[in-house]
Order: sequence, then C-alpha cells, then structure tokens
Amino acid sequence: RKEVEQDPGPFNVPEGATVAFNCTYSNSASQSFFWYRQDCRKEPKLLMSVYSSGNEDGRFTAQLNRASQYISLLIRDSKLSDSATYLCVVKDGNFNKFYFGSGTKLNVKP
Amino acid sequence: DADVTQTPRNRITKTGKRIMLECSQTKGHDRMYWYRQDPGLGLRLIYYSFDVKDINKGEISDGYSVSRQAQAKFSLSLESAIPNQTALYFCATGDSNQPQHFGDGTRLSIL
Repeated sequence: RKEVEQDPGPFNVPEGATVAFNCTYSNSASQSFFWYRQDCRKEPKLLMSVYSSGNEDGRFTAQLNRASQYISLLIRDSKLSDSATYLCVVKDGNFNKFYFGSGTKLNVKP
Repeated sequence: DADVTQTPRNRITKTGKRIMLECSQTKGHDRMYWYRQDPGLGLRLIYYSFDVKDINKGEISDGYSVSRQAQAKFSLSLESAIPNQTALYFCATGDSNQPQHFGDGTRLSIL
C-alpha cells in the first residue's frame, strides 16, 4: 500500500468553479502535512502547510482529518493559472521522511 | 540566484556511462534529498542526508550513490547508467520541521 494516495484526475473545471481534492495517508503517526503545486516540467513548490485546525490562504483552504487519515484542498473561484498538478505530502514523524503522492491534475478551462 | 541549484539541467547519455548530478544550496539547510520523478509514480526518494556525515538510503537507492561534500553540496551518481534510470531528478533541502525546497530538476535520458 502506498504511503500517500491521490486521485490522479484530471479534474476539468470551468473558470470560477470550486474544486476539491482529497489525499489519504497510511501512517497514523504522520506529523506534518503539506500541499505542493507542480507545473508541467517544473519543480514542486509549496502551496500551503496543513494544520490540525485547518487553514485558509486566499482562495485555498486545506483541512486535516486525522481520524480518517486524509487531507483535503479546496480551491474557490478557480483561475486559469490554477491549472497544475497538486501534490499531497506527508512527513513521517518517526524518520523525518517526506512522502509524496503522485499528484492530482487540475485543468481550469475558460 | 536560485536557492537550490542543480546541474546539469538536461543530459542525454548512453547505457553504461557514469553520470554525476550536482546540487548546491544557499539556504543553509542541514538536510538534503535526491528524488526521481516518473510519470504516474510521483516523487520517489533515492537518498537523503541530514548532515555532512550522515547518508541514508531512500526507497529506490539501488544503482545510485551520493556524496555530501559540504553542508551546501550533495551530488548523486549513477555508476553505470541504464535506460530505466531515465527520469526527472530533483534535489531538495529542508530543516527538521520545514517543508522542502526543490531545485529546478535535471532531465536525464539514457539511451
């Protein structure tokens, strides 16, 4: 079983739509959680950390559900520039390793 | 200047050749990582280092070796390259509780 699993998509949405991605993780001892964004053929870049209480950054909201072992990313009022692959990342507290999901592809259409 | 610099950015080589990918960082982070990315598989950890004297294997270390020459430098070697090592390679840095910062990547093709 993979450490981190994501729906690969693609999610095809119109501009202005609200879209949500989920990501599940297998290790209940995981301590830190992140969403990264990766544009085609580019390096992953940190989008936001995910806190236990949930957090919001502009149009982006991230939530953590420890009981069900998943994190989510909600994007409101989608822009064309939001088109990218979104990577879920989980940090293993015991070994300080980062585990990356294979990514969810988002296409925002005009 | 980039915080994490990888060289070369692109490389095409033949089976059996020795290849070295370089990574340097100006962020002052202790921890450095090498990943490879393949379509549909996401990022997979090859090796990581928590300081100059610490080297650890990741999930796919076979066929690779690394050297941590200094806090700021971490190189990845393919001793005898094979075609299934064709991939996009990323170096990353970080501290114990911080997210990772990535280099621009090295696109490696082995014929």
